[in-house]
Amino acid sequence: ETGVTQTPRHLVMGMTNKKSLKCEQHLGHNAMYWYKQSAKKPLELMFVYSLEERVENNSVPSRFSPECPNSSHLFLHLHTLQPEDSALYLCASSLRTVNEKLFFGSGTQLSVL
Amino acid sequence: SQQGEEDPQALSIQEGENATMNCSYKTSINNLQWYRQNSGRGLVHLILIRSNEREKHSGRLRVTLDTSKKSSSLLITASRAADTASYFCATAQSTNAGKSTFGDGTTLTVKP
Repeated sequence: ETGVTQTPRHLVMGMTNKKSLKCEQHLGHNAMYWYKQSAKKPLELMFVYSLEERVENNSVPSRFSPECPNSSHLFLHLHTLQPEDSALYLCASSLRTVNEKLFFGSGTQLSVL
Repeated sequence: SQQGEEDPQALSIQEGENATMNCSYKTSINNLQWYRQNSGRGLVHLILIRSNEREKHSGRLRVTLDTSKKSSSLLITASRAADTASYFCATAQSTNAGKSTFGDGTTLTVKP
């Protein structure tokens, strides 16, 4: 147990659906991240939040919309996704953004039909 | 371009043997981290080695860093079936705060 909780664990959605992924940490960390892990590809950093401010948006399509209402919670809102967006979405947190070790959640396995 | 690249892509050994995985990177780093991932789960941090360190130990894990060759190795001694997982290196670059870049990973299978 890393202290980072993601829900749901699995999600199947159609291309016209709207859904949200949730991430929660109670480690007192100030930075939170969304990563995408596709089969046979390295982890891709999507977004970084530091103290609830977005500090990185790694050229992610607008159909992915992050939200960080406070330092303990992070959401990823999904709408009009494509089948190639099917992947494991991992949330992580760290004490700060600078070169810190990451604590990962178990991920949400997303399938877009 | 990808910063960390692990080698080999896959490794299969018998329980009790040692497993060595390598990671190469391209640009200057502040630190290098190794993570482990069981299938379909999140990554778990194993060890962090800073750019001014050459070797670090944690239990059965030994990590080395050679900044002149831009490479690191992870050694798992006396492997167990429970060590079966994917192992990733992640580099934190000097000029890219907050962006640890991950490699493709090495898939380790330890046969009982």
